[in-house]
Amino acid sequence: AQTVTQSQPEMSVQEAETVTLSCTYDTSESDYYLFWYKQPPSRQMILVIRQEAYKQQNATENRFSVNFQKAAKSFSLKISDSQLGDAAMYFCAYRRNDNAGNMLTFGGGTRLMVKP
Amino acid sequence: KAGVTQTPRYLIKTRGQQVTLSCSPISGHRSVSWYQQTPGQGLQFLFEYFSETQRNKGNFPGRFSGRQFSNSRSEMNVSTLELGDSALYLCASSLPAPNTGELFFGEGSRLTVL
Repeated sequence: AQTVTQSQPEMSVQEAETVTLSCTYDTSESDYYLFWYKQPPSRQMILVIRQEAYKQQNATENRFSVNFQKAAKSFSLKISDSQLGDAAMYFCAYRRNDNAGNMLTFGGGTRLMVKP
Repeated sequence: KAGVTQTPRYLIKTRGQQVTLSCSPISGHRSVSWYQQTPGQGLQFLFEYFSETQRNKGNFPGRFSGRQFSNSRSEMNVSTLELGDSALYLCASSLPAPNTGELFFGEGSRLTVL
C-alpha cells in the first residue's frame, strides 16, 4: 500500500519570504502522480501543483514549485514571495497513474501560517 | 462551469440515526470519490464511483455506502451513526481516465453526531 508522510504539522513564514514544505511517500509503482492541495479555512480543497512521475523536470506554477526526487521518494513544495492568502492547510497526495481509478492517498497535512 | 456541489453543508444527527449526503460533480465528470476528514485520522478514502459502479472502496465498515446515478450525481449514506462518524465529508470529481490526474473537490458536508 502507498503511504504519504508530511513531517511538519505546522510551519510559519514571514510575508514575502520563501518556505518549503516537505513530503515523502512510499510506493512500489513506477508511474504515478503527486499533488499538493491547499485547503483554506473555507475548506474547499484546491490543487496547487501536479507532478507526473515520469517527468524529470520539476513542476512550477507561478510562485509555487516542487523539488521532485524520485529515487528518494521526496516531493517538497516551495512557496516563494509568501502572501497572507497562502495561509492554509497543505496536503501532499499520491495517485497511481493507471485506469484502476482516481483514489488519492493523502499525507497528514501541514498548517502554514503567514506572518505580516 | 459550476464546481462540485455538496449538500447539505452542515447537519447534526444523533447516535443511531442515518444520514444521506449528496454530491453533484462538475459537468462531464463521471468519476466521483468520497473522503472523510477528521482531525485524528486526516483524509481517508471512502469509495469511488464511475458510471454508476463502485470502482474502489476504502477501509470503512459496511455502515458506509454509496451510489451513483445515471447523471453522475452521487450519494453516500451512513447508517447507525456513531460519535466517531463526526467529520467533514468531501466529494471529488474527475474526468475519466486517461486524465490529468486532478480531482476537483466540493466544499464538504460537516456532519456532527451527538
